[in-house]
Amino acid sequence: EVQLVQSGPEVKKPGESLKISCKGSGYKFTSYWIGWVRQMPGKGLEWMGIVYPGDSDTRYSPSLRGEVTISADKSLSTAYLHWSSLEASDSALYFCARGDWTDAGWGFFDNWGQGTLVTVSS
Amino acid sequence: DIQLTQSPSSLSSSVGDRVTITCRARQSISGYLNWYQQKPGKAPKLLIYAASNVQSGVPSRFSGSGSGTDFALTISSLQPEDVATYYCQQSYSVFWTFGQGTKVEI
Repeated sequence: EVQLVQSGPEVKKPGESLKISCKGSGYKFTSYWIGWVRQMPGKGLEWMGIVYPGDSDTRYSPSLRGEVTISADKSLSTAYLHWSSLEASDSALYFCARGDWTDAGWGFFDNWGQGTLVTVSS
Repeated sequence: DIQLTQSPSSLSSSVGDRVTITCRARQSISGYLNWYQQKPGKAPKLLIYAASNVQSGVPSRFSGSGSGTDFALTISSLQPEDVATYYCQQSYSVFWTFGQGTKVEI
């Protein structure tokens, strides 16, 4: 069974750093992309970026403007989302999801983590 | 970014009704359009990929159609467990994007 298990909720102060994680199991971790999706309180889903653990190829949403770093450690089957300096506006629920493609090239997120709630407040 | 616009933003229908949600892309995305269901407090769930392919395990009352710029998700007979927010998402661009969501109530 494919599973993505995310790290627990975080409460941080503005300016602090944070790294949240997403551990994959039940499949070959290095053969699928892992994406990160943000959901701000009461709002919709926002695609943040995606990483391929096989070679660490990474793509970011243009709207992020270098605010976060996405990475993966294939030896731990774990992907990460990292902030060097949090802002209150980073308060949100963050999901990781496995990216898959059909042979014809159609891409989608077929399995999701349970979400990590990040609260940034002074 | 490729912008996706869903209509309506919310709807209320009765059990057994046929419900259709539309998603319009600002530019042609061929068939690179997926639909997800998100129930309150839960992670999204893939319903439809590549515009019209039903994901394994998804009830047959869900179907998708469309290509180019106009797409639709149809629930043929609305059930109480279908109360959720539905999102379209494009994978045509390197930078994937989601629609703003449609909240379905009974």
